[in-house]
Amino acid sequence: GAVVSQHPSRVICKSGTSVKIECRSLDFQATTMFWYRQFPKQSLMLMATSNEGSKATYEQGVEKDKFLINHASLTLSTLTVTSAHPEDSSFYICSAPRGRGGYTFGSGTRLTVV
Amino acid sequence: GENVEQHPSTLSVQEGDSAVIKCTYSDSASNYFPWYKQELGKRPQLIIDIRSNVGEKKDQRIAVTLNKTAKHFSLHITETQPEDSAVYFCAASNPPNDMRFGAGTRLTVKP
Repeated sequence: GAVVSQHPSRVICKSGTSVKIECRSLDFQATTMFWYRQFPKQSLMLMATSNEGSKATYEQGVEKDKFLINHASLTLSTLTVTSAHPEDSSFYICSAPRGRGGYTFGSGTRLTVV
Repeated sequence: GENVEQHPSTLSVQEGDSAVIKCTYSDSASNYFPWYKQELGKRPQLIIDIRSNVGEKKDQRIAVTLNKTAKHFSLHITETQPEDSAVYFCAASNPPNDMRFGAGTRLTVKP
């Protein structure tokens, strides 16, 4: 139980274009979704927290106009990287809290901006 | 906010030896401390977790200890095997709030 489906798993886009990443909770209602970014050989860094029906909260240093987060339903949270540049190339992964204090992760999205 | 520090960044042990990875946290409100193993390009895989109401938890060759007073917790892997080689992350949170990760430890188990 408590599965989060994340798509796409890999995406290559041209510099200046936008990319949307989706995280969908399949068998539970995710009122909160955490979005992380992981650069090669580094840790998972929290970018933002999305809450269903309200504005996302962003960590310091994360541009909210560049990383648009939408959490319009209890089962879907999306992250859109706008005007992507090569330095945005990274591994993006979502996570939702589940019962008994644990967290469930999406499978991650490898974004490459060329 | 929470700040999690993890040491060492790299650890190399001989097969059969033990490995210990240590983490400290800053937020006294944190009460959930998981450990993850991550393969390249994959999601973190939970290997063991501990909550603040216990001081130690064991699952076969893996154990975690927690010292709430000192705000540190450790992962212990005994009888290491080559397949234990991976990157390990500690984390801390106060569920259902966000979880913060340590910087990671690359463990290499030499046959």
